[in-house]
Amino acid sequence: GDSVTQMEGPVTLSEEAFLTINCTYTATGYPSLFWYVQYPGEGLQLLLKATKADDKGSNKGFEATYRKETTSFHLEKGSVQVSDSAVYFCALTRSGNQFYFGTGTSLTVIP
Amino acid sequence: DARVTQTPRDKVTEMGQEVTMRCQPILGHNTVFWYRQTMMQGLELLAYFRNRAPLDDSGMPKDRFSAEMPDATLATLKIQPSEPRDSAVYFCASGYDGYNEQFFGPGTRLTVL
Repeated sequence: GDSVTQMEGPVTLSEEAFLTINCTYTATGYPSLFWYVQYPGEGLQLLLKATKADDKGSNKGFEATYRKETTSFHLEKGSVQVSDSAVYFCALTRSGNQFYFGTGTSLTVIP
Repeated sequence: DARVTQTPRDKVTEMGQEVTMRCQPILGHNTVFWYRQTMMQGLELLAYFRNRAPLDDSGMPKDRFSAEMPDATLATLKIQPSEPRDSAVYFCASGYDGYNEQFFGPGTRLTVL
């Protein structure tokens, strides 16, 4: 069945460091891929998405490229800020009716 | 701007009591999802609806949980009787067929003593 595997945390970085959070998926066909972010005490918010191979999703300095050959959708940011501290979830859907989420990666950015 | 609302935001109750959580999806959305989030299990899908009909509730403990959509503007998740292991944050999300994105509510934090 469809599934998402993402890098386990927690991840702690200094401000302005480079961030990578790995995400790989298993799915038949061509799923849409997402990164969601959850700030403390809040629900999940869509951060970025990509709907076909080689698409790059980007938002707020974060980027992820849909790599079908490696079934990956790694999240990157060149220079993290304290305000980026949150939990990040990788997710996929093929139909829009069933979403599969990873276990979440907690990021803490220290000044 | 349009957003999913959930009530209550926090609920503390005693074991054995009935708990009802409510969700108002974004107007015009026709899919609704209920998730439970815990530290141990992460985010688990409990049930989802399309056009108010339940499509999948296999993630829900059937003996005590029930989910309904009395109308297009209200989804409910009920636990009866509640148990301490039900303590979690419950999220509702809504979306629209053919548009591959979910919009999450702020969650209901449930504590069962």
